[in-house]
Amino acid sequence: QSVLTQPPSVSAAPGQKVTISCSGSSSNIGNNYVSWYQQLPGTAPKLLIYDNNKRPSGIPDRFSGSKSGTSATLGITGLQTGDEADYYCGTWDSSLSAGGIFGGGTKLTVL
Amino acid sequence: QVQLQESGPGLVKPSETLSLTCAVSGYSISSGYYWGWIRQPPGKGLEWIGSIYHSGSTYYNPSLKSRVTISVDTSKNQFSLKLSSVTAADTAVYYCARVAAAGTYYFDYWGQGTLVTVSS
Repeated sequence: QSVLTQPPSVSAAPGQKVTISCSGSSSNIGNNYVSWYQQLPGTAPKLLIYDNNKRPSGIPDRFSGSKSGTSATLGITGLQTGDEADYYCGTWDSSLSAGGIFGGGTKLTVL
Repeated sequence: QVQLQESGPGLVKPSETLSLTCAVSGYSISSGYYWGWIRQPPGKGLEWIGSIYHSGSTYYNPSLKSRVTISVDTSKNQFSLKLSSVTAADTAVYYCARVAAAGTYYFDYWGQGTLVTVSS
């Protein structure tokens, strides 16, 4: 069971908007930056968002991130069939069991 | 462009030690950043294993700490993972990645991953 909680799946139609939530605690999301990763089938994860809301070069502005308190959200607008993938949130946990942590992942289906 | 490539045996026997190496190109490990390992069991999510700085400073997943050793070889621009006393539960795709860890923590470049199966 992951320290960060994500919904197992979300779905939406092409062109629509979807949000994926990531819930944690004060020892992780509450006091550290959040990152988001996209994993297309059979490939390695790819960095989508870092430091809560920053996009690496080459990531379209259809992808956005936000954080409030101990939760973070990934937003994707103008959904495309190519966005079908697993999405993971990640951060650092500053508790006694300090280390990098990930959410359990969310499968996005573009209907 | 930073590139990472994992290498090592794809099959390891139970109770033995899993050993993987990550070769880095396009960036000198000695220039900074942490370097990390992440694994993903078949059909499951990502699990952080640990990370290392070029100085040798390490952080390990507490649940794996007793079995994990991550080391760095700056002369070869590579870093390595050793996981001892493996069981079938350690079967996974193992990824190496560059880690931004200065006031933040994220993985910006990833290797393609290598599947390691634990079986006799």
